[in-house]
Amino acid sequence: AQKVTQAQTEISVVEKEDVTLDCVYETRDTTYYLFWYKQPPSGELVFLIRRNSFDEQNEISGRYSWNFQKSTSSFNFTITASQVVDSAVYFCALAPPLIGGSQGNLIFGKGTKLSVKP
Amino acid sequence: GAGVSQSPSNKVTEKGKDVELRCDPISGHTALYWYRQSLGQGLEFLIYFQGNSAPDKSGLPSDRFSAERTGGSVSTLTIQRTQQEDSAVYLCASSLGRVGYNSPLHFGNGTRLTVT
Repeated sequence: AQKVTQAQTEISVVEKEDVTLDCVYETRDTTYYLFWYKQPPSGELVFLIRRNSFDEQNEISGRYSWNFQKSTSSFNFTITASQVVDSAVYFCALAPPLIGGSQGNLIFGKGTKLSVKP
Repeated sequence: GAGVSQSPSNKVTEKGKDVELRCDPISGHTALYWYRQSLGQGLEFLIYFQGNSAPDKSGLPSDRFSAERTGGSVSTLTIQRTQQEDSAVYLCASSLGRVGYNSPLHFGNGTRLTVT
């Protein structure tokens, strides 16, 4: 079975603190894709990053960084020097392989609500 | 269009009535998805359309739910005989190709459905 677990339901930090959002996934596929989406209070989900299972290199984009560890089936997301505008619900998601699995729907975690206070 | 467009943005209906939710994907995107987001829950996959292939309906919760996509573009999600547990935000997304092929989803703002 495929599953994404985001154990942190809500996190509250003060501006400028670093915060890490955890994501653990389960899959039997050897090829798969992982995603992070942000859902601000306006409601629209915004794509942040995708990672394929063959690329374990960590990625940094500005204040955002992602740590993919296949050995622990984790794809954690860190925001450095958080800002109030980072307040949102963040979803981690897993996509099965193109061939052999389902037709390609994303399996989402339940999300982590991040509140950054000034 | 510039993004995925959904209408209406809000819908209040009485239990037992039918509702239709509309999604207009990004032009040129061949894949279209419907997800449901209930309060405090993650996103639940409902149905997926890819080009002219038969849709993947594996996520539809009951036979009261159906969806169609006309001309490979606009999609309509229909819920018949609505129940209170159908109350949720219904999100539509599109992608250039299959999401497993490195194509991220682009979401609309959703339709908030309230069944009274």
